[in-house]
Amino acid sequence: AQTVTQSQPEMSVQEAETVTLSCTYDTSESDYYLFWYKQPPSRQMILVIRQEAYKQQNATENRFSVNFQKAAKSFSLKISDSQLGDAAMYFCAYKRGSFGNEKLTFGTGTRLTIIP
Amino acid sequence: SQTIHQWPATLVQPVGSPLSLECTVEGTSNPNLYWYRQAAGRGLQLLFYSVGIGQISSEVPQNLSASRPQDRQFILSSKKLLLSDSGFYLCACRRTVSGNTIYFGEGSWLTVV
Repeated sequence: AQTVTQSQPEMSVQEAETVTLSCTYDTSESDYYLFWYKQPPSRQMILVIRQEAYKQQNATENRFSVNFQKAAKSFSLKISDSQLGDAAMYFCAYKRGSFGNEKLTFGTGTRLTIIP
Repeated sequence: SQTIHQWPATLVQPVGSPLSLECTVEGTSNPNLYWYRQAAGRGLQLLFYSVGIGQISSEVPQNLSASRPQDRQFILSSKKLLLSDSGFYLCACRRTVSGNTIYFGEGSWLTVV
């Protein structure tokens, strides 16, 4: 079974600095997708960034980028120029790519605090 | 892009009472729909998913059930709530024509007392 591990329950960063959140996963599949979701105090889950396993290039969305190391099964999220609005729980998630596999497996989350 | 509506946003129900949480999706047709639960301080657990009207798959045995009476409507129900049913319930959607990204609604807080 696929598992997703986030080893940092809490992280903090100074406003305008850069922070990296860690995620590792375990799978025997070759076709899969990885995601980072943000859950602010409102509790809504917001997609931050996604990565297709078949793509070697790391995904980037404005201040958010990932370091995808497929062989190491590592998928870290880097937030540059941290802003107060980035404070939230961040969840790493995995989904098999094959048809009919609908389950999104989540890690336990990392709570990110931004220090003004 | 799709919009996911959930209601009620907050619900306090006594043990043994029935439950109905509703989710509707706008901006897409024939989506895959999901119900997730997030217990306090924990990650998300997939409860049910549906690939079409009347088609429901259950991921975990439990006190809850789901139904999909219309293409863009997904309902989570219970005949008799348990204390352990308390949590944050999230409806989610995947557009079948646009890949594997799953988008979430705003969630419903359920407290069973």
